[in-house]
Amino acid sequence: IAGITQAPTSQILAAGRRMTLRCTQDMRHNAMYWYRQDLGLGLRLIHYSNTAGTTGKGEVPDGYSVSRANTDDFPLTLASAVPSQTSVYFCASSDSGGSGDNEQFFGPGTRLTVL
Amino acid sequence: GQNIDQPTEMTATEGAIVQINCTYQTSGFNGLFWYQQHAGEAPTFLSYNVLDGLEEKGRFSSFLSRSKGYSYLLLKELQMKDSASYLCAVRDSNYQLIWGAGTKLIIKP
Repeated sequence: IAGITQAPTSQILAAGRRMTLRCTQDMRHNAMYWYRQDLGLGLRLIHYSNTAGTTGKGEVPDGYSVSRANTDDFPLTLASAVPSQTSVYFCASSDSGGSGDNEQFFGPGTRLTVL
Repeated sequence: GQNIDQPTEMTATEGAIVQINCTYQTSGFNGLFWYQQHAGEAPTFLSYNVLDGLEEKGRFSSFLSRSKGYSYLLLKELQMKDSASYLCAVRDSNYQLIWGAGTKLIIKP
């Protein structure tokens, strides 16, 4: 693996179902992030983790949860999906919690449709 | 509230120069980023500014004025492959990125 991978690439989900989006990075970055991207809106931060074992809420955390058991993995769970969670989800990582000129590296995204 | 403003769409001609503007109002400022995003793909990093002035990187340059809450991305010698969305993002006082909605750049031959 080189960089960040996300799975699945796309998913159609019935409302009310539980879903986990997977994200794995091999760059040993401390910080990881989950964003959603909707047409006409900027990327919006859902949850983040500055280091393994810690997580924080972003701008739009409701309906989502995350865990960071180790450096490499940062799964995002939708406990009970709703149609408004239809979006493209991007996982990203950066070194040193995003300080200095450390840019965020993005995974290829997961396109989720909730019906 | 926090706000990042960019034009929704711009059109330019292959070989020409285009300037994409970004204005911001955020709680704190710890740097400004520009990213490129081709349709259906992930954003990729282009540039970072934290001090006032111009940063040049090949055909791309980025300018920052912190007192005016303003930045621009300058693309020279446009190529068809530059057709993409360009995202402006500001790192706020919590060291989180606040993103603009992006500017879709259309390059015509």
